[in-house]
Amino acid sequence: EAGVAQSPRYKIIEKRQSVAFWCNPISGHATLYWYQQILGQGPKLLIQFQNNGVVDDSQLPKDRFSAERLKGVDSTLKIQPAKLEDSAVYLCASSPPVLSISEAFFGQGTRLTVV
Amino acid sequence: AQSVTQLDSQVPVFEEAPVELRCNYSSSVSVYLFWYVQYPNQGLQLLLKYLSGSTLVKGINGFEAEFNKSQTSFHLRKPSVHISDTAEYFCAVSDSSYKLIFGSGTRLLVRP
Repeated sequence: EAGVAQSPRYKIIEKRQSVAFWCNPISGHATLYWYQQILGQGPKLLIQFQNNGVVDDSQLPKDRFSAERLKGVDSTLKIQPAKLEDSAVYLCASSPPVLSISEAFFGQGTRLTVV
Repeated sequence: AQSVTQLDSQVPVFEEAPVELRCNYSSSVSVYLFWYVQYPNQGLQLLLKYLSGSTLVKGINGFEAEFNKSQTSFHLRKPSVHISDTAEYFCAVSDSSYKLIFGSGTRLLVRP
């Protein structure tokens, strides 16, 4: 079974530029998460999708961050404009259909450096 | 609201010694608890999970954890650690909303 795919693995941009990350979850997984992990901290949930609907985006800085999940499959996370404090690893995860609680499966992440 | 507390930011231990990584959670509803491990430049990998049933949960790589509802804890243990266990360990809690919240992590440093 293929895992959660993320791209790019690394990205360096200047502040005020825009950037986008892509995530392809495990086939059939209904729930998709985006997390931000700042160096030395635990992952912080940015947004949670159930199929293509948003379940929770309370911690997403909506003035600069946006995310979508087209057709309930792939997802993109965008930052525009980026700030220095956005430097972090952005992790995508997915979990199986809603009828059962299960663990989330994580991609390897995208390391963003804003200079 | 759910929250997870990992009081120890770093735990140094000698190889072949036992280790316990502490995790306490805060939730007003039924909870589901997880331990994940993160190796350098990698994503998170599930070690073990508690969904229901037996409060003692066994996971991969010889780790186990015990769910204690009265103390709202889910501590991770291993009787004998290896150098290869050096990594960051994260405790996480979820509920029926499927929202998955992580603690701040504990760095396990195994010394020869």
